[in-house]
Amino acid sequence: KNQVEQSPQSLIILEGKNCTLQCNYTVSPFSNLRWYKQDTGRGPVSLTIMTFSENTKSNGRYTATLDADTKQSSLHITASQLSDSASYICVVSAWGLTGGGNKLTFGTGTQLKVEL
Amino acid sequence: DSGVTQTPKHLITATGQRVTLRCSPRSGDLSVYWYQQSLDQGLQFLIQYYNGEERAKGNILERFSAQQFPDLHSELNLSSLELGDSALYFCASSVEGGGGAFFGQGTRLTVV
Repeated sequence: KNQVEQSPQSLIILEGKNCTLQCNYTVSPFSNLRWYKQDTGRGPVSLTIMTFSENTKSNGRYTATLDADTKQSSLHITASQLSDSASYICVVSAWGLTGGGNKLTFGTGTQLKVEL
Repeated sequence: DSGVTQTPKHLITATGQRVTLRCSPRSGDLSVYWYQQSLDQGLQFLIQYYNGEERAKGNILERFSAQQFPDLHSELNLSSLELGDSALYFCASSVEGGGGAFFGQGTRLTVV
């Protein structure tokens, strides 16, 4: 069964500090892994997407890593800001059947709060 | 702007009623996904359509149904509404071949 587990469930950090969120998955056959940021009451917004051959991808202060061998990914946030307070969701895509499209498996998210 | 459009943005209705939520995917995307997000909960996958056909089903109640039309827009029908159906309903779309998914801004449904 395809599963995506994220840790920690929630995290509180001080503004300006760094943090790392984890995502472990058992999804096969693996297509890609995407990190989303979801502000309260808004739709998730894609931060990074990585395929099997990519092991790191940056988007401003966000850097995602992927270890396809251990099926682990992390999202590192540098110099956190108050606006980083949100839920961060890891989504892993599995190749679908021929002509059937991909299947997505969502993690339950890490709730990040950045405080002064 | 993700390119995925959901209407309406807000909906308030009474218990027992039926509503229809609409989603227009990004141009060229064949897959449409529907998700429910209750207060302080994660995204719960409801159903996926691919090029007009049901592709995968998640935790979708029998009172709920969906379809994808030839122009690829999709509708989620919720009937016999209960208070517990109050939630944000998100639509996402993706291309075939691993493009990931782009989300709309959601429809906030309040059942009173």
